[in-house]
Amino acid sequence: QVQLRESGPGLMKPSETLSLTCAVSGYSISSAYFWDWVRQPPGKGLEWIASISHGGTPYFNPSLKSRVTISLDTSSNHFSLKLTSVTAADTAVYYCARRPLGYRDSWGQGTLVTVSS
Amino acid sequence: QSALTQPASVSGSPGQSITISCTGTSSDVGGYIYVSWYQQHPGKAPKLIIFDVNNRPSGVSDRFSGSKSGNTASLTISGLQAEDEADYHCSSYTSSDTYVFGTGTKVTVL
Repeated sequence: QVQLRESGPGLMKPSETLSLTCAVSGYSISSAYFWDWVRQPPGKGLEWIASISHGGTPYFNPSLKSRVTISLDTSSNHFSLKLTSVTAADTAVYYCARRPLGYRDSWGQGTLVTVSS
Repeated sequence: QSALTQPASVSGSPGQSITISCTGTSSDVGGYIYVSWYQQHPGKAPKLIIFDVNNRPSGVSDRFSGSKSGNTASLTISGLQAEDEADYHCSSYTSSDTYVFGTGTKVTVL
């Protein structure tokens, strides 16, 4: 059974770069599927941030594309997200998820990132 | 890309049926089968309950069903139970090879 676990900094200051990692167990990320990042600001809905295919092809939300990098580390079986120049608007719970095709069937528990001066 | 439109809240009594709508455009909901629904209890991660418009993952109650007509997808919960009280989110693939979520709906069991 696949499990995903996010790790992140918790608290950040404006203008810093957010780095998140999703450790995957029970499935090899290089075998198949897509690997997603999704976020949820407090009290709000979900927002798709980016995806990466098992072969390393990235896909981005157009509204965030200029600030986002997504990557795979097949040797460690994890994938990562970097978001530059964060502001208070980037405060959210960040989730990683596995996406077989058009749906996300497994999710991490989420990690809260707060941006505050 | 704009979020798909969902009602902010829907309520019903135990045993009743409720339907949540998810309205997009021909470039997302109306154009593809890749519409999915997620249930999210407070403080928890979303859980997949419907994929590809009307398919249920193994282990999900058959009280949950999905459908689509034109640019609007719908999630119906029949035989409403207290445990169904949660937030529900729809998601769709788009013609830009991206994904978009709905605005989210809070379901209250009266």
